[in-house]
Amino acid sequence: NAGVTQTPKFQVLKTGQSMTLQCAQDMNHEYMSWYRQDPGMGLRLIHYSVGAGITDQGEVPNGYNVSRSTTEDFPLRLLSAAPSQTSVYFCASALAVEETQYFGPGTRLLVL
Amino acid sequence: AQSVTQPDIHITVSEGASLELRCNYSYGATPYLFWYVQSPGQGLQLLLKYFSGDTLVQGIKGFEAEFKRSQSSFNLRKPSVHWSDAAEYFCAVPSGGYNKLIFGAGTRLAVHP
Repeated sequence: NAGVTQTPKFQVLKTGQSMTLQCAQDMNHEYMSWYRQDPGMGLRLIHYSVGAGITDQGEVPNGYNVSRSTTEDFPLRLLSAAPSQTSVYFCASALAVEETQYFGPGTRLLVL
Repeated sequence: AQSVTQPDIHITVSEGASLELRCNYSYGATPYLFWYVQSPGQGLQLLLKYFSGDTLVQGIKGFEAEFKRSQSSFNLRKPSVHWSDAAEYFCAVPSGGYNKLIFGAGTRLAVHP
Protein backbone atom coordinates (compact mmCIF):
# COMPACT_ATOMS: atom_id res chain seq x y z
CA ASN A 1 0.00 0.00 0.00
CA ALA A 2 1.17 3.50 -0.81
CA GLY A 3 -0.90 4.89 2.06
CA VAL A 4 -1.97 8.52 1.76
CA THR A 5 -0.39 10.36 -1.16
CA GLN A 6 -0.51 14.07 -1.89
CA THR A 7 0.43 16.02 -4.99
CA PRO A 8 2.09 18.36 -5.62
CA LYS A 9 4.70 18.54 -2.88
CA PHE A 10 5.25 22.23 -3.41
CA GLN A 11 3.37 24.90 -5.35
CA VAL A 12 3.69 28.62 -5.89
CA LEU A 13 0.59 30.56 -6.92
CA LYS A 14 -0.21 34.15 -7.65
CA THR A 15 -3.09 35.84 -5.88
CA GLY A 16 -6.34 35.04 -7.65
CA GLN A 17 -5.16 31.83 -9.31
CA SER A 18 -6.97 28.59 -8.76
CA MET A 19 -5.59 25.14 -8.14
CA THR A 20 -6.45 21.71 -6.83
CA LEU A 21 -4.47 19.85 -4.21
CA GLN A 22 -4.74 16.14 -4.78
CA CYS A 23 -5.11 13.51 -2.09
CA ALA A 24 -5.49 9.79 -2.63
CA GLN A 25 -5.46 6.72 -0.42
CA ASP A 26 -5.39 3.05 -1.33
CA MET A 27 -6.49 1.63 2.02
CA ASN A 28 -10.23 1.69 1.31
CA HIS A 29 -10.70 4.25 4.07
CA GLU A 30 -14.10 5.84 4.39
CA TYR A 31 -13.04 8.92 6.34
CA MET A 32 -10.82 11.58 4.78
CA SER A 33 -9.92 15.08 5.86
CA TRP A 34 -7.87 18.16 5.03
CA TYR A 35 -5.88 20.21 7.53
CA ARG A 36 -3.71 23.25 7.18
CA GLN A 37 -0.66 23.82 9.33
CA ASP A 38 0.55 27.30 10.16
CA PRO A 39 3.47 28.23 12.43
CA GLY A 40 2.49 28.43 16.08
CA MET A 41 -1.06 27.24 15.40
CA GLY A 42 -0.85 23.51 15.04
CA LEU A 43 -3.17 21.94 12.48
CA ARG A 44 -6.67 23.17 11.75
CA LEU A 45 -9.40 21.15 10.07
CA ILE A 46 -10.61 22.56 6.74
CA HIS A 47 -13.07 19.96 5.40
CA TYR A 48 -13.78 16.32 5.97
CA SER A 49 -15.69 13.46 4.40
CA VAL A 50 -17.22 10.39 6.00
CA GLY A 51 -17.68 8.60 2.70
CA ALA A 52 -18.08 9.03 -1.03
CA GLY A 53 -20.58 11.76 -1.81
CA ILE A 54 -20.55 13.17 1.74
CA THR A 55 -18.50 16.19 2.79
CA ASP A 56 -18.73 18.72 5.59
CA GLN A 57 -16.96 21.79 6.86
CA GLY A 58 -14.33 21.89 9.54
CA GLU A 59 -12.92 24.75 11.56
CA VAL A 60 -11.56 26.90 8.69
CA PRO A 61 -13.49 26.10 5.47
CA ASN A 62 -13.66 29.56 3.87
CA GLY A 63 -11.88 29.79 0.53
CA TYR A 64 -11.78 26.03 0.00
CA ASN A 65 -14.03 23.55 -1.78
CA VAL A 66 -14.00 19.78 -1.67
CA SER A 67 -15.80 16.88 -3.29
CA ARG A 68 -15.66 13.14 -2.80
CA SER A 69 -16.73 11.29 -5.93
CA THR A 70 -14.76 8.14 -5.10
CA THR A 71 -13.61 6.46 -1.90
CA GLU A 72 -9.98 6.87 -2.92
CA ASP A 73 -9.75 10.57 -3.78
CA PHE A 74 -10.46 13.76 -1.85
CA PRO A 75 -9.22 16.84 -3.74
CA LEU A 76 -9.08 20.29 -2.17
CA ARG A 77 -9.80 23.25 -4.45
CA LEU A 78 -8.72 26.82 -4.03
CA LEU A 79 -10.90 28.87 -6.37
CA SER A 80 -9.11 32.20 -5.93
CA ALA A 81 -5.91 31.93 -3.95
CA ALA A 82 -5.04 34.54 -1.33
CA PRO A 83 -1.77 35.14 0.52
CA SER A 84 -3.54 34.06 3.72
CA GLN A 85 -3.75 30.58 2.23
CA THR A 86 0.01 30.20 2.27
CA SER A 87 0.41 27.13 4.44
CA VAL A 88 1.26 23.46 4.55
CA TYR A 89 -1.72 21.28 3.73
CA PHE A 90 -2.14 17.77 5.06
CA CYS A 91 -4.61 15.16 3.97
CA ALA A 92 -5.53 12.32 6.32
CA SER A 93 -7.66 9.21 6.12
CA ALA A 94 -9.13 6.68 8.53
CA LEU A 95 -10.89 3.37 8.08
CA ALA A 96 -13.96 4.85 9.72
CA VAL A 97 -14.99 7.93 11.65
CA GLU A 98 -13.72 6.53 14.96
CA GLU A 99 -10.50 4.96 13.77
CA THR A 100 -6.92 6.21 13.74
CA GLN A 101 -6.09 8.81 11.11
CA TYR A 102 -3.11 8.38 8.79
CA PHE A 103 -1.56 11.54 7.40
CA GLY A 104 -0.02 12.22 4.02
CA PRO A 105 3.37 13.94 3.59
CA GLY A 106 1.86 17.36 2.94
CA THR A 107 1.75 20.01 0.22
CA ARG A 108 3.56 23.28 0.82
CA LEU A 109 1.70 26.16 -0.83
CA LEU A 110 3.02 29.68 -1.29
CA VAL A 111 0.64 32.38 -2.54
CA LEU A 112 2.30 35.56 -3.71
CA ALA B 1 -15.26 24.83 23.56
CA GLN B 2 -12.52 22.26 23.49
CA SER B 3 -8.96 23.51 23.41
CA VAL B 4 -5.43 22.24 23.79
CA THR B 5 -2.44 24.10 25.17
CA GLN B 6 1.15 23.06 24.81
CA PRO B 7 3.08 25.50 26.99
CA ASP B 8 6.52 24.71 25.63
CA ILE B 9 7.21 25.85 22.08
CA HIS B 10 10.75 24.49 21.98
CA ILE B 11 12.61 22.02 24.20
CA THR B 12 16.21 20.86 23.99
CA VAL B 13 17.47 17.74 25.75
CA SER B 14 20.64 15.71 25.65
CA GLU B 15 20.59 12.26 24.14
CA GLY B 16 19.89 9.72 26.86
CA ALA B 17 18.12 12.22 29.10
CA SER B 18 14.49 11.85 30.11
CA LEU B 19 11.76 13.87 28.43
CA GLU B 20 8.41 15.27 29.42
CA LEU B 21 6.25 17.30 27.04
CA ARG B 22 3.30 19.09 28.56
CA CYS B 23 -0.26 19.17 27.29
CA ASN B 24 -3.26 20.78 28.98
CA TYR B 25 -6.76 20.44 27.62
CA SER B 26 -10.17 21.93 28.06
CA TYR B 27 -12.99 19.46 27.48
CA GLY B 28 -16.51 19.10 28.79
CA ALA B 29 -16.50 15.37 29.49
CA THR B 30 -13.95 12.60 29.72
CA PRO B 31 -11.84 13.32 26.72
CA TYR B 32 -10.23 11.30 24.03
CA LEU B 33 -6.63 12.52 23.87
CA PHE B 34 -3.94 12.00 21.27
CA TRP B 35 -0.25 12.60 20.80
CA TYR B 36 1.16 12.85 17.27
CA VAL B 37 4.75 13.26 16.10
CA GLN B 38 5.88 15.05 12.96
CA SER B 39 9.40 14.35 11.76
CA PRO B 40 11.01 16.99 9.54
CA GLY B 41 9.33 17.12 6.14
CA GLN B 42 6.89 14.36 7.03
CA GLY B 43 3.23 14.00 7.87
CA LEU B 44 1.93 13.27 11.34
CA GLN B 45 2.17 9.86 12.96
CA LEU B 46 0.07 8.75 15.91
CA LEU B 47 2.19 8.03 18.99
CA LEU B 48 -0.57 7.06 21.40
CA LYS B 49 -4.14 7.76 22.41
CA TYR B 50 -6.25 7.73 25.54
CA PHE B 51 -9.92 6.78 25.63
CA SER B 52 -10.68 5.58 29.12
CA GLY B 53 -9.45 3.13 31.74
CA ASP B 54 -5.81 3.00 32.71
CA THR B 55 -4.51 6.55 32.94
CA LEU B 56 -1.00 5.56 31.87
CA VAL B 57 -0.94 4.88 28.14
CA GLN B 58 1.88 3.20 26.28
CA GLY B 59 2.66 4.16 22.71
CA ILE B 60 5.11 3.50 19.95
CA LYS B 61 8.83 4.34 20.01
CA GLY B 62 9.03 3.97 23.80
CA PHE B 63 6.71 6.88 24.60
CA GLU B 64 4.06 6.95 27.27
CA ALA B 65 1.56 9.51 28.48
CA GLU B 66 -0.37 9.96 31.69
CA PHE B 67 -3.91 11.33 31.87
CA LYS B 68 -4.52 13.41 35.00
CA ARG B 69 -8.10 14.59 35.20
CA SER B 70 -7.48 16.77 38.26
CA GLN B 71 -4.83 18.73 36.37
CA SER B 72 -6.48 18.55 32.92
CA SER B 73 -3.19 17.27 31.62
CA PHE B 74 -1.94 14.56 29.29
CA ASN B 75 1.85 14.83 29.40
CA LEU B 76 4.07 12.79 27.11
CA ARG B 77 7.17 11.11 28.56
CA LYS B 78 10.13 9.08 27.47
CA PRO B 79 12.78 7.80 29.91
CA SER B 80 15.74 8.04 27.51
CA VAL B 81 15.68 10.20 24.39
CA HIS B 82 17.37 9.16 21.16
CA TRP B 83 18.66 11.55 18.49
CA SER B 84 15.96 10.23 16.14
CA ASP B 85 13.27 11.60 18.49
CA ALA B 86 14.05 15.13 17.29
CA ALA B 87 10.72 16.22 15.81
CA GLU B 88 7.63 18.27 16.52
CA TYR B 89 5.05 16.83 18.87
CA PHE B 90 1.36 17.68 18.86
CA CYS B 91 -1.30 17.00 21.44
CA ALA B 92 -4.88 16.84 20.15
CA VAL B 93 -8.45 16.44 21.37
CA PRO B 94 -11.62 15.80 19.32
CA SER B 95 -14.15 18.57 18.82
CA GLY B 96 -17.56 17.56 17.56
CA GLY B 97 -16.40 14.15 16.38
CA TYR B 98 -13.69 11.59 17.05
CA ASN B 99 -11.53 12.57 14.10
CA LYS B 100 -12.37 16.28 14.06
CA LEU B 101 -9.24 17.15 15.97
CA ILE B 102 -8.19 20.33 17.71
CA PHE B 103 -4.40 20.43 17.83
CA GLY B 104 -2.10 22.24 20.17
CA ALA B 105 0.49 24.57 18.69
CA GLY B 106 3.15 21.90 19.00
CA THR B 107 6.43 21.46 20.84
CA ARG B 108 9.61 21.24 18.80
CA LEU B 109 12.14 18.87 20.35
CA ALA B 110 15.85 19.19 19.68
CA VAL B 111 18.25 16.48 20.86
CA HIS B 112 21.89 17.26 21.57
CA PRO B 113 24.44 14.45 21.17
